[in-house]
Amino acid sequence: KNQVEQSPQSLIILEGKNCTLQCNYTVSPFSNLRWYKQDTGRGPVSLTIMTFSENTKSNGRYTATLDADTKQSSLHITASQLSDSASYICVVSPGYSSASKIIFGSGTRLSIRP
Amino acid sequence: ETGVTQTPRHLVMGMTNKKSLKCEQHLGHNAMYWYKQSAKKPLELMFVYNFKEQTENNSVPSRFSPECPNSSHLFLHLHTLQPEDSALYLCASSPREAGGPYNEQFFGPGTRLTVL
Repeated sequence: KNQVEQSPQSLIILEGKNCTLQCNYTVSPFSNLRWYKQDTGRGPVSLTIMTFSENTKSNGRYTATLDADTKQSSLHITASQLSDSASYICVVSPGYSSASKIIFGSGTRLSIRP
Repeated sequence: ETGVTQTPRHLVMGMTNKKSLKCEQHLGHNAMYWYKQSAKKPLELMFVYNFKEQTENNSVPSRFSPECPNSSHLFLHLHTLQPEDSALYLCASSPREAGGPYNEQFFGPGTRLTVL
């Protein structure tokens, strides 16, 4: 069964600290993996996307990694800010197929404390 | 601003009411989607429209009825809902329907629906 598992479910860290969120998937075949950020009361916004041949992608203080062999991805946030408080959703797509094959994780709820 | 707008942002309705959710995208995309987001659960795909034609109905109960009059507008008509239908309903659009790496979905802010 195609699945995307994210950990931890929630995380609280102090402002300025770094953190890493995890995403494990069993989706096959694999085309690409996205990380979305969803602020409270807003829709998800794409942070990064990686295809099979990419193993790291950065977007400012956000760095995503992908290990297609172990089917794991991580999202590292450096020098966290209060505005990083949000849910982070890992999304895996098996390729050029119907939208119903796109698999969403349940998300990690990140809270940054001052 | 993501280019996808949704109205209303909040809706409270009784189980016997009829209401509609509206979504509009200003991105020139050809595919539009309705998702349901419940607390601590993954987004659930409900419907997909590609070039105004419905291509996916993910076993959604008939009390939810979508309408796509053109590529820029998408509606979700609601009637006889149940309390368990309370959730955040997200609309999204993308250049076309697919899961490819160059086919990013852009989401609206959602409608928070409460069914009493």
